[in-house]
Amino acid sequence: DTEVTQTPKHLVMGMTNKKSLKCEQHMGHRAMYWYKQKAKKPPELMFVYSYEKLSINESVPSRFSPECPNSSLLNLHLHALQPEDSALYLCASSQAGQGAREQYFGPGTRLTVT
Amino acid sequence: AQSVAQPEDQVNVAEGNPLTVKCTYSVSGNPYLFWYVQYPNRGLQFLLKYITGDNLVKGSYGFEAEFNKSQTSFHLKKPSALVSDSALYFCAVRDKNNQGGKLIFGQGTELSVKP
Repeated sequence: DTEVTQTPKHLVMGMTNKKSLKCEQHMGHRAMYWYKQKAKKPPELMFVYSYEKLSINESVPSRFSPECPNSSLLNLHLHALQPEDSALYLCASSQAGQGAREQYFGPGTRLTVT
Repeated sequence: AQSVAQPEDQVNVAEGNPLTVKCTYSVSGNPYLFWYVQYPNRGLQFLLKYITGDNLVKGSYGFEAEFNKSQTSFHLKKPSALVSDSALYFCAVRDKNNQGGKLIFGQGTELSVKP
């Protein structure tokens, strides 16, 4: 099974709301990633978890807060977002460590901030 | 600094014709290179990767890529294009300076295959 699932598929939230995006994989991968993607642009890395520990934060604003409760789950907590945060948020997973580890992506959550 | 470049924003091909989507890279040492495809309103799908060894890498859906060290290129190819191949294609390189598995993506090439 090479599937990464993400919920919800679509999310509309106001600038004062708090919401969470969820990601799950059952491939035994120990590295998980959050990306932000604008239309027809490459994904921009936000966070990387390796063995359930945050290993990379690409200087993401604190209104985005990641969480990795266990090796299969990854959450992204959202609070006080701005309209420019509207984008497709992609989760991915891969084997951890060095080497050519291909990442497997979920279908994404389309976020609209009003 | 490590980087990849996709020199064409868009490639147009007639169905049944061969297709090539270009990618060049700038990496110190041996690169780990990847191709991904993104269909509309979907996540990225892994197509193939180059580690070392054979310069012709075969991947999913009949795609292959040719690694050329002297030209620092990793072009994606398919002998006979299908309309269903129309999508956004990204070349990527593993950032070897980064322990966390970070990928550096090209800007993407939109492939349009017409019947």
